[in-house]
Amino acid sequence: AQKVTQAQTEISVVEKEDVTLDCVYETRDTTYYLFWYKQPPSGELVFLIRRNSFDEQNEISGRYSWNFQKSTSSFNFTITASQVVDSAVYFCALRSNTGNQFYFGTGTSLTVIP
Amino acid sequence: DGGITQSPKYLFRKEGQNVTLSCEQNLNHDAMYWYRQDPGQGLRLIYYSQIVNDFQKGDIAEGYSVSREKKESFPLTVTSAQKNPTAFYLCASSRRQEGQPQHFGDGTRLSIL
Repeated sequence: AQKVTQAQTEISVVEKEDVTLDCVYETRDTTYYLFWYKQPPSGELVFLIRRNSFDEQNEISGRYSWNFQKSTSSFNFTITASQVVDSAVYFCALRSNTGNQFYFGTGTSLTVIP
Repeated sequence: DGGITQSPKYLFRKEGQNVTLSCEQNLNHDAMYWYRQDPGQGLRLIYYSQIVNDFQKGDIAEGYSVSREKKESFPLTVTSAQKNPTAFYLCASSRRQEGQPQHFGDGTRLSIL
């Protein structure tokens, strides 16, 4: 079975604080892909990053960084020096290589307070 | 610019009425998807299609129907059998190749009159 868990429903931080969004996944596949999406108030989901199961290298892109650990089945997302524009709902998703379905977590709503 | 267009942005349904949500993409993607999103909840898969003239039910297909007559179009009909249709509906598409991300439209917000 494929499953993605985002235990944090809502997070509030003050601007310039760092914040980490947690994502834990379950899959029996050896090859799979993990994604993070951002959903601003406008509604459209915006693709942020993809990571495959064979690449555990952490990635940094500007103020964003991702920590993928197969040993704990986690793919956490950190925003450094948060800004008001980061306020959105963030979704973690899993796609196996055996099908075309995506499995989404329930999302984490992030509010950055000025 | 390539992308996914959903229309209308807002839609109202009367009792006993079927309504159709449009989704068009010009990304040349093979796979297309429909999700339903309720307040404070994640995305639940309604239907998906991997190729033209073929589609599969997702987790909550009851009360919905789809068609895939053209590669670029994947309309969703919310039938009168769907008793609780008020939600935000998102259409997505992706390449079929392994590991490709989904791209999403702006969504349609459906409400009951």
